[in-house]
Amino acid sequence: SQQGEEDPQALSIQEGENATMNCSYKTSINNLQWYRQNSGRGLVHLILIRSNEREKHSGRLRVTLDTSKKSSSLLITASRAADTASYFCATLYSSASKIIFGSGTRLSIRP
Amino acid sequence: DVKVTQSSRYLVKRTGEKVFLECVQDMDHENMFWYRQDPGLGLRLIYFSYDVKMKEKGDIPEGYSVSREKKERFSLILESASTNQTSMYLCASSYGHSNQPQHFGDGTRLSIL
Repeated sequence: SQQGEEDPQALSIQEGENATMNCSYKTSINNLQWYRQNSGRGLVHLILIRSNEREKHSGRLRVTLDTSKKSSSLLITASRAADTASYFCATLYSSASKIIFGSGTRLSIRP
Repeated sequence: DVKVTQSSRYLVKRTGEKVFLECVQDMDHENMFWYRQDPGLGLRLIYFSYDVKMKEKGDIPEGYSVSREKKERFSLILESASTNQTSMYLCASSYGHSNQPQHFGDGTRLSIL
Protein backbone atom coordinates (compact mmCIF):
# COMPACT_ATOMS: atom_id res chain seq x y z
CA SER A 1 0.00 0.00 0.00
CA GLN A 2 1.21 3.51 -0.73
CA GLN A 3 -0.85 4.92 2.10
CA GLY A 4 0.81 7.52 4.29
CA GLU A 5 1.07 6.76 7.98
CA GLU A 6 0.29 9.30 10.69
CA ASP A 7 1.93 9.20 14.06
CA PRO A 8 0.70 9.12 16.75
CA GLN A 9 -2.68 7.51 16.17
CA ALA A 10 -4.10 9.48 19.10
CA LEU A 11 -2.89 12.53 21.02
CA SER A 12 -4.36 14.21 24.10
CA ILE A 13 -2.97 17.57 25.27
CA GLN A 14 -3.93 20.45 27.54
CA GLU A 15 -5.52 23.53 26.03
CA GLY A 16 -2.85 26.08 25.21
CA GLU A 17 -0.14 23.50 24.52
CA ASN A 18 1.27 22.80 21.09
CA ALA A 19 0.29 19.66 19.17
CA THR A 20 2.59 17.93 16.71
CA MET A 21 1.52 15.20 14.32
CA ASN A 22 3.73 13.36 11.86
CA CYS A 23 3.16 11.73 8.50
CA SER A 24 5.49 9.33 6.71
CA TYR A 25 5.16 8.18 3.13
CA LYS A 26 6.88 5.71 0.85
CA THR A 27 7.84 7.08 -2.55
CA SER A 28 8.43 10.45 -4.20
CA ILE A 29 5.54 12.89 -4.10
CA ASN A 30 4.34 15.97 -5.95
CA ASN A 31 2.69 17.47 -2.89
CA LEU A 32 1.37 16.66 0.55
CA GLN A 33 -1.85 18.00 2.03
CA TRP A 34 -3.27 18.10 5.55
CA TYR A 35 -6.97 17.84 6.31
CA ARG A 36 -9.07 18.08 9.48
CA GLN A 37 -12.22 16.10 10.23
CA ASN A 38 -14.55 17.03 13.04
CA SER A 39 -16.60 14.20 14.50
CA GLY A 40 -19.35 13.09 12.13
CA ARG A 41 -18.41 15.59 9.42
CA GLY A 42 -16.49 15.63 6.16
CA LEU A 43 -12.85 16.56 5.77
CA VAL A 44 -11.71 20.15 5.52
CA HIS A 45 -8.53 21.07 3.66
CA LEU A 46 -5.99 22.88 5.86
CA ILE A 47 -2.76 23.32 3.94
CA LEU A 48 -0.84 22.05 0.91
CA ILE A 49 2.94 21.86 0.71
CA ARG A 50 4.73 21.14 -2.54
CA SER A 51 7.68 18.79 -2.85
CA ASN A 52 10.09 21.70 -3.41
CA GLU A 53 8.93 23.52 -0.25
CA ARG A 54 10.29 22.83 3.23
CA GLU A 55 7.95 24.80 5.46
CA LYS A 56 4.59 26.51 5.24
CA HIS A 57 2.48 28.49 7.70
CA SER A 58 -1.21 29.24 7.94
CA GLY A 59 -2.38 31.00 11.09
CA ARG A 60 -1.58 28.70 14.03
CA LEU A 61 -0.59 25.87 11.67
CA ARG A 62 2.95 25.11 10.64
CA VAL A 63 3.75 22.30 8.21
CA THR A 64 7.21 21.00 7.41
CA LEU A 65 8.28 18.59 4.71
CA ASP A 66 11.49 16.55 4.66
CA THR A 67 11.66 14.71 1.35
CA SER A 68 14.93 12.99 2.29
CA LYS A 69 13.16 11.33 5.24
CA LYS A 70 9.85 11.06 3.37
CA SER A 71 8.04 12.70 6.24
CA SER A 72 5.96 15.74 7.13
CA SER A 73 4.82 17.25 10.39
CA LEU A 74 1.84 19.42 11.32
CA LEU A 75 2.26 21.70 14.30
CA ILE A 76 -0.75 23.41 15.88
CA THR A 77 0.34 26.12 18.28
CA ALA A 78 -1.62 27.37 21.30
CA SER A 79 -4.25 24.67 20.94
CA ARG A 80 -7.93 25.35 21.58
CA ALA A 81 -10.88 23.09 22.38
CA ALA A 82 -12.13 23.64 18.81
CA ASP A 83 -8.97 21.94 17.49
CA THR A 84 -10.30 18.60 18.77
CA ALA A 85 -10.62 16.55 15.57
CA SER A 86 -8.91 13.92 13.45
CA TYR A 87 -6.11 15.09 11.20
CA PHE A 88 -5.14 13.36 7.97
CA CYS A 89 -2.22 13.72 5.63
CA ALA A 90 -2.79 13.06 1.94
CA THR A 91 -0.06 12.53 -0.59
CA LEU A 92 -0.01 12.90 -4.36
CA TYR A 93 2.59 10.45 -5.54
CA SER A 94 4.62 11.34 -8.62
CA SER A 95 3.57 8.08 -10.26
CA ALA A 96 -0.15 8.43 -9.52
CA SER A 97 -3.03 10.61 -10.59
CA LYS A 98 -4.91 10.71 -7.30
CA ILE A 99 -4.14 11.60 -3.73
CA ILE A 100 -3.94 8.93 -1.04
CA PHE A 101 -5.05 9.53 2.53
CA GLY A 102 -3.45 8.20 5.69
CA SER A 103 -5.41 6.71 8.58
CA GLY A 104 -5.29 9.87 10.68
CA THR A 105 -4.35 11.19 14.12
CA ARG A 106 -7.13 11.78 16.67
CA LEU A 107 -6.37 14.95 18.60
CA SER A 108 -8.16 15.70 21.88
CA ILE A 109 -7.72 19.04 23.64
CA ARG A 110 -8.39 18.92 27.39
CA PRO A 111 -9.83 22.12 28.94
CA ASP B 1 -17.43 28.73 -0.49
CA VAL B 2 -17.64 25.39 -2.24
CA LYS B 3 -20.59 23.34 -1.18
CA VAL B 4 -20.70 19.58 -1.61
CA THR B 5 -24.05 18.13 -0.63
CA GLN B 6 -24.74 14.49 0.04
CA SER B 7 -28.39 13.51 -0.14
CA SER B 8 -28.60 11.68 3.20
CA ARG B 9 -26.68 11.88 6.48
CA TYR B 10 -27.96 8.50 7.67
CA LEU B 11 -29.35 5.60 5.67
CA VAL B 12 -30.47 2.11 6.65
CA LYS B 13 -30.98 -0.52 3.98
CA ARG B 14 -31.37 -4.28 3.79
CA THR B 15 -29.04 -6.89 2.34
CA GLY B 16 -29.60 -7.33 -1.39
CA GLU B 17 -31.18 -3.93 -1.95
CA LYS B 18 -29.91 -1.58 -4.65
CA VAL B 19 -28.72 1.58 -2.93
CA PHE B 20 -28.13 5.02 -4.45
CA LEU B 21 -25.98 7.67 -2.77
CA GLU B 22 -26.17 11.09 -4.39
CA CYS B 23 -23.65 13.91 -4.33
CA VAL B 24 -23.98 17.40 -5.78
CA GLN B 25 -21.35 20.17 -5.93
CA ASP B 26 -22.02 23.79 -6.80
CA MET B 27 -18.60 25.01 -7.98
CA ASP B 28 -18.34 23.58 -11.48
CA HIS B 29 -15.51 21.25 -10.43
CA GLU B 30 -14.28 18.79 -13.01
CA ASN B 31 -13.27 16.09 -10.53
CA MET B 32 -15.51 14.16 -8.20
CA PHE B 33 -14.66 11.29 -5.84
CA TRP B 34 -16.35 8.68 -3.69
CA TYR B 35 -14.56 7.33 -0.60
CA ARG B 36 -15.51 5.04 2.20
CA GLN B 37 -14.14 5.58 5.68
CA ASP B 38 -13.77 2.79 8.20
CA PRO B 39 -12.12 2.90 11.65
CA GLY B 40 -8.38 2.32 11.43
CA LEU B 41 -8.40 2.19 7.63
CA GLY B 42 -8.61 5.88 6.79
CA LEU B 43 -10.24 6.91 3.53
CA ARG B 44 -10.27 4.46 0.67
CA LEU B 45 -11.10 5.58 -2.85
CA ILE B 46 -13.96 3.70 -4.52
CA TYR B 47 -14.40 5.57 -7.82
CA PHE B 48 -13.59 8.96 -9.26
CA SER B 49 -14.54 10.96 -12.31
CA TYR B 50 -12.65 13.63 -14.22
CA ASP B 51 -15.49 14.67 -16.49
CA VAL B 52 -19.09 14.02 -17.36
CA LYS B 53 -19.73 10.40 -18.32
CA MET B 54 -16.15 9.48 -17.38
CA LYS B 55 -15.28 7.21 -14.48
CA GLU B 56 -12.17 5.56 -13.13
CA LYS B 57 -11.88 2.74 -10.61
CA GLY B 58 -10.25 3.54 -7.33
CA ASP B 59 -8.74 1.10 -4.87
CA ILE B 60 -11.90 -0.76 -3.84
CA PRO B 61 -14.48 -0.64 -6.66
CA GLU B 62 -15.86 -4.15 -6.20
CA GLY B 63 -19.58 -4.15 -5.45
CA TYR B 64 -20.00 -0.51 -6.48
CA SER B 65 -20.75 1.43 -9.64
CA VAL B 66 -21.05 5.14 -10.36
CA SER B 67 -22.87 7.51 -12.66
CA ARG B 68 -21.97 11.01 -13.78
CA GLU B 69 -24.56 12.26 -16.24
CA LYS B 70 -24.17 15.93 -15.26
CA LYS B 71 -21.06 17.78 -14.18
CA GLU B 72 -22.43 18.71 -10.76
CA ARG B 73 -23.76 15.29 -9.78
CA PHE B 74 -21.92 12.06 -8.99
CA SER B 75 -23.89 9.03 -7.85
CA LEU B 76 -22.59 5.94 -6.09
CA ILE B 77 -24.58 2.74 -6.57
CA LEU B 78 -24.42 -0.38 -4.47
CA GLU B 79 -25.77 -2.96 -6.88
CA SER B 80 -26.71 -5.52 -4.22
CA ALA B 81 -25.96 -4.23 -0.74
CA SER B 82 -24.09 -6.48 1.66
CA THR B 83 -23.36 -6.09 5.38
CA ASN B 84 -19.64 -5.46 4.70
CA GLN B 85 -20.65 -2.27 2.89
CA THR B 86 -21.82 -0.74 6.15
CA SER B 87 -19.61 2.33 6.39
CA MET B 88 -19.30 6.11 6.21
CA TYR B 89 -19.33 7.27 2.59
CA LEU B 90 -17.73 10.58 1.68
CA CYS B 91 -18.05 12.48 -1.57
CA ALA B 92 -15.51 15.09 -2.64
CA SER B 93 -14.86 17.39 -5.56
CA SER B 94 -11.88 19.35 -6.82
CA TYR B 95 -10.92 21.72 -9.55
CA GLY B 96 -8.59 20.99 -12.42
CA HIS B 97 -5.51 18.87 -11.85
CA SER B 98 -5.55 16.01 -9.36
CA ASN B 99 -3.14 17.87 -7.05
CA GLN B 100 -5.76 20.44 -6.07
CA PRO B 101 -7.38 20.38 -2.62
CA GLN B 102 -10.54 18.34 -2.34
CA HIS B 103 -13.79 19.66 -0.90
CA PHE B 104 -15.86 17.15 1.03
CA GLY B 105 -19.49 16.64 1.84
CA ASP B 106 -20.56 15.76 5.38
CA GLY B 107 -20.84 12.07 4.59
CA THR B 108 -23.56 9.43 4.57
CA ARG B 109 -23.47 6.86 7.34
CA LEU B 110 -24.89 3.75 5.67
CA SER B 111 -26.00 0.69 7.61
CA ILE B 112 -26.83 -2.53 5.79
CA LEU B 113 -28.92 -4.91 7.88
